[in-house]
Amino acid sequence: KQEVTQIPAALSVPEGENLVLNCSFTDSAIYNLQWFRQDPGKGLTSLLLIQSSQREQTSGRLNASLDKSSGRSTLYIAASQPGDSATYLCAVRDNNAGNMLTFGGGTRLMVKP
Amino acid sequence: DAGVIQSPRHEVTEMGQEVTLRCKPISGHNSLFWYRQTMMRGLELLIYFNNNVPIDDSGMPEDRFSAKMPNASFSTLKIQPSEPRDSAVYFCASTSLFGSPLHFGNGTRLTVT
Repeated sequence: KQEVTQIPAALSVPEGENLVLNCSFTDSAIYNLQWFRQDPGKGLTSLLLIQSSQREQTSGRLNASLDKSSGRSTLYIAASQPGDSATYLCAVRDNNAGNMLTFGGGTRLMVKP
Repeated sequence: DAGVIQSPRHEVTEMGQEVTLRCKPISGHNSLFWYRQTMMRGLELLIYFNNNVPIDDSGMPEDRFSAKMPNASFSTLKIQPSEPRDSAVYFCASTSLFGSPLHFGNGTRLTVT
């Protein structure tokens, strides 16, 4: 059974820092991996989707990488801002699990002004 | 695009009462998912539908929970009778083709007293 882990569970950084959020998964037979952002009291907003054949995806200050063989993905946030404060979740879609996603527990990020 | 629409946003009810949560997926999406989120257990998949047909309901906690999707634009999640341990945020999400990004609604915060 696929398991997705995100470490650390919480992170606090000063504004302007570049930071990396980590996501690991136990079964490398994945179709794709998706990063989400969740603000308090809100639903999840899709940030980036990486197909299993891709190494990375970029959107603005965000860059997500995927190393399928080692079961890892990272989300890199450049020049962090207070508005980046949120919980970030990764989720994997397995090859043999239909269209279902398995979610990690999330990393709660606080960017201090 | 109005996004995934859920109602109500908040529901407070007494133990033993019936609760019905509603979801309208994004038009054209043919997969719909119901998730539950708590601090202790994170995001849990309850059930998902493809083309209005339930595909996997193994996450439904017990017989008190039921979900229907009578047409492509509407789904309900019903809890009868409700219990305090059902208190959580319930999310609906939808997607189009297999492997496409998943889009979430803003959730229904359920409190059972």
